[in-house]
Amino acid sequence: ETGVTQTPRHLVMGMTNKKSLKCEQHLGHNAMYWYKQSAKKPLELMFVYSLEERVENNSVPSRFSPECPNSSHLFLHLHTLQPEDSALYLCASSQVISGGYSPLHFGNGTRLTVT
Amino acid sequence: GIQVEQSPPDLILQEGANSTLRCNFSDSVNNLQWFHQNPWGQLINLFYIPSGTKQNGRLSATTVATERYSLLYISSSQTTDSGVYFCVEGAQKLVFGQGTRLTINP
Repeated sequence: ETGVTQTPRHLVMGMTNKKSLKCEQHLGHNAMYWYKQSAKKPLELMFVYSLEERVENNSVPSRFSPECPNSSHLFLHLHTLQPEDSALYLCASSQVISGGYSPLHFGNGTRLTVT
Repeated sequence: GIQVEQSPPDLILQEGANSTLRCNFSDSVNNLQWFHQNPWGQLINLFYIPSGTKQNGRLSATTVATERYSLLYISSSQTTDSGVYFCVEGAQKLVFGQGTRLTINP
């Protein structure tokens, strides 16, 4: 059983819908990440929260809005998405340690389809 | 589902040394990727290599799909190569190896 839980596992939404992806980590970590995996493309980093502050935003369109209310929870709010946003969205967590971060632990992902 | 095993789990080398990291799979692979997690936590894609050999500077990777393994070669190691290296298989669902922690000492 993974220490990082993502819900829902699958999501189908229209371009005018608003939905949210949820991630919860049970590992006591203090850094959380959103990644996007598109078909036949490398994994892309979207957002990084370290100690509940956003430290990375890799030029992600504003139709993706992250929220990190505490160190255990991470959300990705979605609105007015495009069909090309269909992908696997992965959440990960790690621990800030002296000299860097511990290895990432990934959730199982949310498979998003935009129609 | 597919199992991904990486070896060695830990590797400590002096700057300038060469290294080989290995990834074994329990089933055939179609979407293999190698990543480097640097000491600042960022996960950087190194290679998308479901088969064959690719090279990028001091790094190269080879995947022999029929024999269910992939190798990552790092030549003339530098301290900035330190971190954790993951191999990952999948498209609908990603399966990560447990990683190889590489430490390059000056």
